[in-house]
Amino acid sequence: NAGVTQTPKFQVLKTGQSMTLQCAQDMNHNSMYWYRQDPGMGLRLIYYSASEGTTDKGEVPNGYNVSRLNKREFSLRLESAAPSQTSVYFCASRQAGTSGVNEQFFGPGTRLTVL
Amino acid sequence: GEDVEQSLFLSVREGDSSVINCTYTDSSSTYLYWYKQEPGAGLQLLTYIFSNMDMKQDQRLTVLLNKKDKHLSLRIADTQTGDSAIYFCAENTDKLIFGTGTRLQVFP
Repeated sequence: NAGVTQTPKFQVLKTGQSMTLQCAQDMNHNSMYWYRQDPGMGLRLIYYSASEGTTDKGEVPNGYNVSRLNKREFSLRLESAAPSQTSVYFCASRQAGTSGVNEQFFGPGTRLTVL
Repeated sequence: GEDVEQSLFLSVREGDSSVINCTYTDSSSTYLYWYKQEPGAGLQLLTYIFSNMDMKQDQRLTVLLNKKDKHLSLRIADTQTGDSAIYFCAENTDKLIFGTGTRLQVFP
């Protein structure tokens, strides 16, 4: 099993450009998440999808859109990139809705720079 | 609101114990977690504690939970250079709420 995969690993954009970050998981998890990580800020939740067909805003959704394409895939789109969106983006998944530890699994991250 | 707080940095000498502290807000969390992030990588679950426990020990790791004060700590015994990483505590609601992370630096 590959776990959680993200593409691309690195990306440089100019202000105003758009792009989509891709995420896929092969663990048959119901819930998927997008976070951004900035120095001194920890992880902040951008959007999440509790199950296929649903998406909800997290703490910092402005400037982003998401699509839960199917159970495996959850993409994050920046329609018009801004320098404030320079960050490391992490996708994660977990098998929510069951009792137990409910571990969240993370992808390796996408390092995005907006000039 | 939801807010999980940690100190940002901790520096310890190799072989000493490290204690990383966390305060959380949601008393209904069933589990509380510690995640570890090594340089250039995503987060990985390190350990966790069920909310009705006070303490959990797992090899060099000891987790202490004070529910009254909503305080969680992670103690790493005999800290090694390979323990250098960022450590995040997290509380479990319908989604995980992460703390700001504590960067642990281990020096010889």
